[in-house]
Amino acid sequence: KQEVTQIPAALSVPEGENLVLNCSFTDSAIYNLQWFRQDPGKGLTSLLLIQSSQREQTSGRLNASLDKSSGRSTLYIAASQPGDSATYLCAVRTPSNTGKLIFGQGTTLQVKP
Amino acid sequence: EPEVTQTPSHQVTQMGQEVILRCVPISNHLYFYWYRQILGQKVEFLVSFYNNEISEKSEIFDDQFSVERPDGSNFTLKIRSTKLEDSAMYFCASSGPRDAQSLAKNIQYFGAGTRLSVL
Repeated sequence: KQEVTQIPAALSVPEGENLVLNCSFTDSAIYNLQWFRQDPGKGLTSLLLIQSSQREQTSGRLNASLDKSSGRSTLYIAASQPGDSATYLCAVRTPSNTGKLIFGQGTTLQVKP
Repeated sequence: EPEVTQTPSHQVTQMGQEVILRCVPISNHLYFYWYRQILGQKVEFLVSFYNNEISEKSEIFDDQFSVERPDGSNFTLKIRSTKLEDSAMYFCASSGPRDAQSLAKNIQYFGAGTRLSVL
């Protein structure tokens, strides 16, 4: 059974710092991996999607990597800003054709001005 | 930018009552999903829906739950007899635009959620 874990659960950094959020999954048979941002009491905003055949994806100050064989993904945020404060979720899509996502518990990031 | 719309934003109901949560997915998407998030817990998959039928459902999605796409735009989740433990944020998502490349086709877009409070 696929399990997704995110470490750390919470992170507080000063503005401007580069940081890495970690996501691990127990079954390397995934279709893709998606990173989301969730603001308090709000929905999920898709940040990046990496297909299982890819190693990384970049969008602006965000870079996500995927090492399927070791069951790991990282989300790198460059030059963090207070507006980056949110909970970051990773989710793996199972190989089935149904699109089911399995989520980690998230990392809550606080960027202090 | 197209978005997934959910109504209501907050629904309060008495235990044992039926509730219908409504979603309008992105218009040219083909795949639809419901997830839920109990306060302080992970987001959990409930059901996926394609071509007017359920393609996968989780153990949570028992006989008390049903989904429907009654017309070309709405996607609903019905809970027949709510329990206290059904209290959660319910998210609708959609994916799979007809004309998209492979990567874009797989991105799931989520609505803002409906907070269901069962008293």
